Formats: sequence, C-alpha cells, structure tokens
Amino acid sequence: EAQVTQNPRYLITVTGKKLTVTCSQNMNHEYMSWYRQDPGLGLRQIYYSMNVEVTDKGDVPEGYKVSRKEKRNFPLILESPSPNQTSLYFCASSLRGRDHVGVNSPLHFGNGTRLTVT
Amino acid sequence: AQTVTQSQPEMSVQEAETVTLSCTYDTSESDYYLFWYKQPPSRQMILVIRQEAYKQQNATENRFSVNFQKAAKSFSLKISDSQLGDAAMYFCAYRGSYTGANSKLTFGKGITLSVRP
Repeated sequence: EAQVTQNPRYLITVTGKKLTVTCSQNMNHEYMSWYRQDPGLGLRQIYYSMNVEVTDKGDVPEGYKVSRKEKRNFPLILESPSPNQTSLYFCASSLRGRDHVGVNSPLHFGNGTRLTVT
Repeated sequence: AQTVTQSQPEMSVQEAETVTLSCTYDTSESDYYLFWYKQPPSRQMILVIRQEAYKQQNATENRFSVNFQKAAKSFSLKISDSQLGDAAMYFCAYRGSYTGANSKLTFGKGITLSVRP
C-alpha cells in the first residue's frame, strides 16, 4: 500500500531534550516536506527536500533540522525543543518534475505527530 | 509570495443540503494548482479535489465540485447532499507550477464544517 509513515503519533517531551520524528514513504517520491499545524494558522512549511541530499528552508525553519540521506526517509530533528514547538506535525511527499504531471502531483500526507514540549 | 485566504472559520449545514466553502488566493503566476483537503477528527489530510489553473472547466468529484474563477482568484468548494461524514476541517491550498520554492503547498487557515442531522 502506498503510504507516508510517520512515527511516533504522539510524543511528550521536556524542554531541551533532543528528539527525532521519522518519516518514510514507499512511493519513490522525490519531493518531501514537513509542515506544522497550529490552531488558527493552518499548515506552515518547515523544511522541504527536492531530492536526496537537497534540502531547503520553508516558512518556519527555526529550531528544526532535517536530513535526506535516502530517497524514502526524511526525518525531522529538534535539537533543543521548546514549548513553542508544541504542535501537530505532518510529513508529506509527492512526485516532482519539470512538467505538469510531476508538479501537479498532490501531496500525500502522513498521519501526523502530536508533539507536546513541557 | 502566494497567500491563501479562508475568511470563514466555521460553517454549518443541514444533512442532505448543499454548502459552499469560500477560498481566495493571491498570486502573480499564471499557471498553478489549487486543492481542497479535508481533515476529519482522525487528523488525516485527505485530498478532496484539485484544479489546474490552465483548465477552464471546473473540477468535480462525486458530490464535491469547485467554482474556479481565475480572474477573481477565487476557488470555492461546493458539497452537495451533505452527509454526517463530511464534518471536518477543510483547507484550501495553492501550489505553483515550478520547481524549487514554489513546490510547496500554501494553505489557508481552514474552515470547520459541522453537519446537523
């Protein structure tokens, strides 16, 4: 089954304790991205990756790191989490390309990770 | 930068009735893509419908259809014969046609739709 798998679904941690949220897709998608969802703000992009070893900042990258060593995996790393990073996080992937078919590909989302930082 | 505006935070509809959710966007591009995503209480993000800006015909998917007004930069979602399972948060989203930074999906703030039995 084609899917984007995020783990864990729920995570409670304390300020300053490094954590990683994993994301894996089995659709051979080049493009992967992380979003955070906060009430009244919709979803905002944190980081994205156009392909292996190619990552770039989104709209709200402060306090986050990512890596793309393999095509299927795109982990989100919080080196020193703070309470303002309490949020619902989504990983997403899609095809990309230079033609309409690739870029039109809708994002496929994981099931989300609810993170609470105390 | 592209922006997406959903000005109504909440709407309610009677079961079996029709409801329209509004969305406007701002862009300087001529070619782009628009989407509606549904987020039920399970938190999943489910693609409802998509529209290519270069297509004049409005997209339809069963009970869901859009009214795409390119000149007005408006992209509303119409849900016909509303069902209890349609209750969810709905997000309008924009995606540019080029690679790079424009590959991102820009979301509106969402609208919570409730369905009255």
